[in-house]
Amino acid sequence: DTEVTQTPKHLVMGMTNKKSLKCEQHMGHRAMYWYKQKAKKPPELMFVYSYEKLSINESVPSRFSPECPNSSLLNLHLHALQPEDSALYLCASSRGGGNTGELFFGEGSRLTVL
Amino acid sequence: GIQVEQSPPDLILQEGANSTLRCNFSDSVNNLQWFHQNPWGQLINLFYIPSGTKQNGRLSATTVATERYSLLYISSSQTTDSGVYFCAVAWAGNMLTFGGGTRLMVKP
Repeated sequence: DTEVTQTPKHLVMGMTNKKSLKCEQHMGHRAMYWYKQKAKKPPELMFVYSYEKLSINESVPSRFSPECPNSSLLNLHLHALQPEDSALYLCASSRGGGNTGELFFGEGSRLTVL
Repeated sequence: GIQVEQSPPDLILQEGANSTLRCNFSDSVNNLQWFHQNPWGQLINLFYIPSGTKQNGRLSATTVATERYSLLYISSSQTTDSGVYFCAVAWAGNMLTFGGGTRLMVKP
């Protein structure tokens, strides 16, 4: 089973709202990722969790707050977002370790900030 | 950081035609993947190919790590092959960096 599940698939929120994106995998992977993709651009790395610890934060604004409650779950908490944060947010997982191995992506959560 | 360049940026094919997509990268890598992004945004794994050659049906890929490039071959293209093809590489631990993509349209 090579599946990464993301919810919700679509989210519309106002600039004062607080919402969360969720990601789940049951492949026994120990590395999980959040990527952001704007229209007609490639995905850009936001965060990497390795063995449930935040290992990479690509200078992402604090209005995005990641959380890894356990090895199967990854959340992205959203607060006070701006319209320019509207994008496709992609979660991925891989086996982890020194050589990350193959990444598997979820279907994405398409976020619109009004 | 590592630079990843894909060519061509756009490609239009007639159904049944063959094509070659290229990915150049600027440093040694320990991971290289090819993805197809469908119109709904999902990234579908095509190949995990840090070196060597692999084939899967009408698709095949070759990575020449010493010369820092990878090629994706699509034979007998179909309209369902349309979408964006991304090459992505990892050069340090878990940081997978994407190229700019090749946007493919296959016409019936």
